[in-house]
Amino acid sequence: DTAVSQTPKYLVTQMGNDKSIKCEQNLGHDTMYWYKQDSKKFLKIMFSYNNKELIINETVPNRFSPKSPDKAHLNLHINSLELGDSAVYFCASSQDTSNEKLFFGSGTQLSVL
Amino acid sequence: GENVEQHPSTLSVQEGDSAVIKCTYSDSASNYFPWYKQELGKRPQLIIDIRSNVGEKKDQRIAVTLNKTAKHFSLHITETQPEDSAVYFCAASKGYSTLTFGKGTMLLVSP
Repeated sequence: DTAVSQTPKYLVTQMGNDKSIKCEQNLGHDTMYWYKQDSKKFLKIMFSYNNKELIINETVPNRFSPKSPDKAHLNLHINSLELGDSAVYFCASSQDTSNEKLFFGSGTQLSVL
Repeated sequence: GENVEQHPSTLSVQEGDSAVIKCTYSDSASNYFPWYKQELGKRPQLIIDIRSNVGEKKDQRIAVTLNKTAKHFSLHITETQPEDSAVYFCAASKGYSTLTFGKGTMLLVSP
């Protein structure tokens, strides 16, 4: 059983389109995150949710809208995709908001053409 | 906010050699320092972490040292093997704040 699973693994789309990435964790964790990893491998936090509530929202364009229907799921919807959105997006979870012992999903490679 | 600097960006060693990756942090209130390993095309995975009340921690061939006064911490890998080849990330956080990652070190272990 995969602890943190995200879909799709690859996403290729045109500029201006809207797309979503889904994430689910079966670890019973309270906190979930979205990270963006650019072409230089830099990992940057985008959002953090604790028990469905947004607790961290870094300076991310409002074209990115996370949604957490329950504490086991955190989805990411992106409107009006731009070339610069191309990256690998990782979902992660941790027991609580301490940021300790993050479990990452397998990543979604987004390519905007 | 916290700033984490990581060096070197690339490290090449021969199998069996030791490898050391160093990180510095800016916020003296940071108290949690994990290290993540990311193999090519895979997800980052936690390999070891240390808290500020401990100066050193070991787990088989890997160890982490922390110098709070100098605000730096290091990852030491002994007897490196080809499967140690990966990108290694250090990170720092304080309490329940955001985890800040370093920019990563690509470790290449040649047979």
